[in-house]
Amino acid sequence: DTGVSQDPRHKITKRGQNVTFRCDPISEHNRLYWYRQTLGQGPEFLTYFQNEAQLEKSRLLSDRFSAERPKGSFSTLEIQRTEQGDSAMYLCASSWGQGAWDTQYFGPGTRLTVL
Amino acid sequence: GENVEQHPSTLSVQEGDSAVIKCTYSDSASNYFPWYKQELGKRPQLIIDIRSNVGEKKDQRIAVTLNKTAKHFSLHITETQPEDSAVYFCAALSGANSKLTFGKGITLSVRP
Repeated sequence: DTGVSQDPRHKITKRGQNVTFRCDPISEHNRLYWYRQTLGQGPEFLTYFQNEAQLEKSRLLSDRFSAERPKGSFSTLEIQRTEQGDSAMYLCASSWGQGAWDTQYFGPGTRLTVL
Repeated sequence: GENVEQHPSTLSVQEGDSAVIKCTYSDSASNYFPWYKQELGKRPQLIIDIRSNVGEKKDQRIAVTLNKTAKHFSLHITETQPEDSAVYFCAALSGANSKLTFGKGITLSVRP
């Protein structure tokens, strides 16, 4: 499968624990995005990488959230001291391009449940 | 920032009929407008997109129209089939950071 992949697909954790998600973009895609989706809503932008550089972070991304893309390939999203409000689907997307009109392809998401 | 709204929130049509889903956006600098289809428990899948230098784009049963003056764009599905039943999201992209702003989605139900 050459699409965007995410791991794990589901994560159940207790409030206060740290969790880390991984995203593997489509090979050779230079841009990678993280979104969060809650029930009945569209995806909300969290952060964006071009190669290894994190170019933008949403105000939704509190200091408990951190994302990395150390070698410009896969990315990780870590949530520290999880709260019940963090429960959501975390989607990763990737694209190739230099301009602003890149088509973004989504992964299957990681569903986080914080008890 | 950009604000994207979708209307209606649900739409039910008879198989074979056409469906039209409308979106409005607020940022006149937005220049790219994709539509995604999301089935229950699955990833959003791009079905069609349009750039601001084009007024209409068609791909088989699906078409998208863009009115930049009014800041709205619409998805048209003809000859609907039960497998078209899903949640459809519109989105708008503005600026150089490739950040997409999504609408809340519309649940389309196609009655057999």
